Amino acid sequence: GAGVSQSPRYKVAKRGQDVALRCDPISGHVSLFWYQQALGQGPEFLTYFQNEAQLDKSGLPSDRFFAERPEGSVSTLKIQRTQQEDSAVYLCASSTSRGEDNQPQHFGDGTRLSIL
Amino acid sequence: AQSVAQPEDQVNVAEGNPLTVKCTYSVSGNPYLFWYVQYPNRGLQFLLKYITGDNLVKGSYGFEAEFNKSQTSFHLKKPSALVSDSALYFCAVRGSSYNQGGKLIFGQGTELSVKP
Repeated sequence: GAGVSQSPRYKVAKRGQDVALRCDPISGHVSLFWYQQALGQGPEFLTYFQNEAQLDKSGLPSDRFFAERPEGSVSTLKIQRTQQEDSAVYLCASSTSRGEDNQPQHFGDGTRLSIL
Repeated sequence: AQSVAQPEDQVNVAEGNPLTVKCTYSVSGNPYLFWYVQYPNRGLQFLLKYITGDNLVKGSYGFEAEFNKSQTSFHLKKPSALVSDSALYFCAVRGSSYNQGGKLIFGQGTELSVKP
């Protein structure tokens, strides 16, 4: 009966390093979303998966950002050659819907990424 | 372009008094509207949604929201505020057209402070 689980909760990396953030959605949830929340701001959409298919990646800020969900369950958001502006909370959300209907998204507690 | 505005960065209310957190939206077609709450170092928790039907929507923890199509507003309300309601509140909109996907567009957030 667990909710959306994200790991690690906190990540500190030096500028230029690669990082990988993990999301375990609620079991059976078809849709999975990644959002970026800068300090004092609302979350901003990054990318969306329906099962293993990445249907929308229009929010990824650069080609340094890459997301995958190879088996339609766990998802990983990877950031290569991190920059200071990548510092933010990364939120994962899952939903029973296929993304176009009205089911709410359930959020994890996020990963707080700090780039030094 | 879709957008959500929360005109107040902060709302201060005395415990026991009614509270209102304002939200206006802009979206093509009929909107799906949501309210989420965020406690410190936590993810977003779903409060309520408007899809269609009655303009007054009831949600979790005694919250309700009033949809007003002519004013493109979806204000969050509660008849009697509790100190434990103090948190960050986000209004979000999702387009109802299939090709807009399931991503949420969030407002900047409103910090609600309820004093004893």
